[in-house]
Amino acid sequence: DAEITQSPRHKITETGRQVTLACHQTWNHNNMFWYRQDLGHGLRLIHYSYGVHDTNKGEVSDGYSVSRSNTEDLPLTLESAASSQTSVYFCASSAGTSGPRTYNEQFFGPGTRLTVL
Amino acid sequence: GEDVEQSLFLSVREGDSSVINCTYTDSSSTYLYWYKQEPGAGLQLLTYIFSNMDMKQDQRLTVLLNKKDKHLSLRIADTQTGDSAIYFCAERVRGATNKLIFGTGTLLAVQP
Repeated sequence: DAEITQSPRHKITETGRQVTLACHQTWNHNNMFWYRQDLGHGLRLIHYSYGVHDTNKGEVSDGYSVSRSNTEDLPLTLESAASSQTSVYFCASSAGTSGPRTYNEQFFGPGTRLTVL
Repeated sequence: GEDVEQSLFLSVREGDSSVINCTYTDSSSTYLYWYKQEPGAGLQLLTYIFSNMDMKQDQRLTVLLNKKDKHLSLRIADTQTGDSAIYFCAERVRGATNKLIFGTGTLLAVQP
């Protein structure tokens, strides 16, 4: 069955370190998204991609970067981890059809809990 | 700007109906969604409604959309303990894009 996976599921790191969170989907979806979930803020969009070599900033992109070298993967990199980046991170994907009549469900991974000490 | 708001917490007794409310700001949203997040898991789509509809029913779930007031609600009939979760509403950003704006989430606690 097609799926979306994230690794690691849990990560503890230190302030200033570079961290990369992996996201892999087997649906062959064009669209991929990274969110962070924090109490009182719900899900906030960090970065997203509509296809290979395409990346776009979301509402909370500072301190994060992504690259899309193939359809299946969208790794999220924290260049220099900060305590404010302690959060649960979710990756999601959706099919490429974007017309107004397509409801375009986003499928979510299980999440990565990141703690920055 | 775009902002989607929900109350943080709702507690109901098993067998009662639950109503989770959401307000959004983008009147041109084409689709609105309800996602469910169980403990320790990612989000799963529960249901969605297209903007030209007022109501959508799917088994125990009823979605009501009031475009004039930019208000969306999710009613769960005969709420069960397995319905305990966080529920997120989301709106699709205007234009033919694939971006969603999520609400803050409502924690539904079902008491036996």
